[in-house]
Amino acid sequence: KAGVTQTPRYLIKTRGQQVTLSCSPISGHRSVSWYQQTPGQGLQFLFEYFSETQRNKGNFPGRFSGRQFSNSRSEMNVSTLELGDSALYLCASSLGQGPPGELFFGEGSRLTVL
Amino acid sequence: GDSVTQMEGPVTLSEEAFLTINCTYTATGYPSLFWYVQYPGEGLQLLLKATKADDKGSNKGFEATYRKETTSFHLEKGSVQVSDSAVYFCALPPNQGGSEKLVFGKGTKLTVNP
Repeated sequence: KAGVTQTPRYLIKTRGQQVTLSCSPISGHRSVSWYQQTPGQGLQFLFEYFSETQRNKGNFPGRFSGRQFSNSRSEMNVSTLELGDSALYLCASSLGQGPPGELFFGEGSRLTVL
Repeated sequence: GDSVTQMEGPVTLSEEAFLTINCTYTATGYPSLFWYVQYPGEGLQLLLKATKADDKGSNKGFEATYRKETTSFHLEKGSVQVSDSAVYFCALPPNQGGSEKLVFGKGTKLTVNP
């Protein structure tokens, strides 16, 4: 079956702009989580959505937001971009109701902020 | 809060060498423990897991044993191959219940030379 699909794979923005990233989970998966990966901080949890509701949120400023649609696809948005937002943004999907932690990751969206 | 500490490396080995990557954890209770692997240019994928104390997870020649006495989950492989070159992450779900959030270690980059 198809894996987790993230778009776009690469993007370049300038400070102050906003960006929207998209994630299509594996068919049947109702949970979508987002992580930010940087060389300095490693993998940091942004938020998780299950059945269109945010179920958990990490310690990121309000500029980072997300949503999930009825077909389980998810988007995350970062407004007023800062240089420090340059990172690989990873989306992961799971059934959301089984044992925690068995996540299926996409290849990521690499954001560069200039 | 719950956390994971793993040796950061990088680790460079010759083909057929023995591999150990250390991982220790701090957690409330006895969570499931995971090793994820990230190959160059890809997202993370689950390598192996253990759900309770003394469990041994194994996959693709890799093994890790859940040791509650030493709060450890070290990753081992008896004979590494060039194709094992990747970044390895130890992870656990924090004690929050009903969420797919994972806390990851910083990652250990492994390079295997022919």
